[in-house]
Amino acid sequence: DIQMTQSPSSVSASVGDRVTITCRASQGISSWLAWYQQKPGKAPKLLIYAASSLQSGVPSRFSGSGSGTDFTLTISSLQPEDFATYYCQQANSFPPTFGPGTKVDIK
Amino acid sequence: EVQLVESGGGLVQPGGSLRLSCAASGFTFSSYWMSWVRQAPGKGLEWVANIKQDGSEKYYVDSVKGRFTISRDNAKNSLYLQMNSLRAEDTAVYYCARARSGLVLDWGQGTLVTVSS
Repeated sequence: DIQMTQSPSSVSASVGDRVTITCRASQGISSWLAWYQQKPGKAPKLLIYAASSLQSGVPSRFSGSGSGTDFTLTISSLQPEDFATYYCQQANSFPPTFGPGTKVDIK
Repeated sequence: EVQLVESGGGLVQPGGSLRLSCAASGFTFSSYWMSWVRQAPGKGLEWVANIKQDGSEKYYVDSVKGRFTISRDNAKNSLYLQMNSLRAEDTAVYYCARARSGLVLDWGQGTLVTVSS
């Protein structure tokens, strides 16, 4: 199975801050990467697919980049509703595997 | 609006069985791969199983192979997960998911399965 890692595991930030989360795959996955946001007690929500494509309805302050093994999720200006846990996921091969998550909380 | 509503979770003893159901609406169910994804309490996400649109292909994560069976009924817009020989490590919230190209497009609200004596 392809292993996914994320850094940092948690980040404390303020409203308006720029936040960057990194995801690394144990082998090349081209651009087969997605990012999800999960709030406490809720199901995850798809934010970005194909490494950099924004899912419909997702605010443009979210962006993704990368290919191969290294990827980033950037929130350009953190909003109160963005405090959540973010997961990357590879969709290159079965089973799809998720990173361990990055918790973004209030500084 | 896409809706996925899971049911069938609960408390079961180790070695027991449980059948989860997912009622889908708001999209053409028979046109999509469907999946089950689980999340142990306080932990990350784990993809459990996939099923093709017509049920002809099914894939499972190694940890559930031979114990879990995914199935669907396109006439009833329903997805199922039959779970046998349950273990403590199967304790999790199980999400029904509409999938495409290995992504989860939409998630249900989840149903909690607790395996404990």
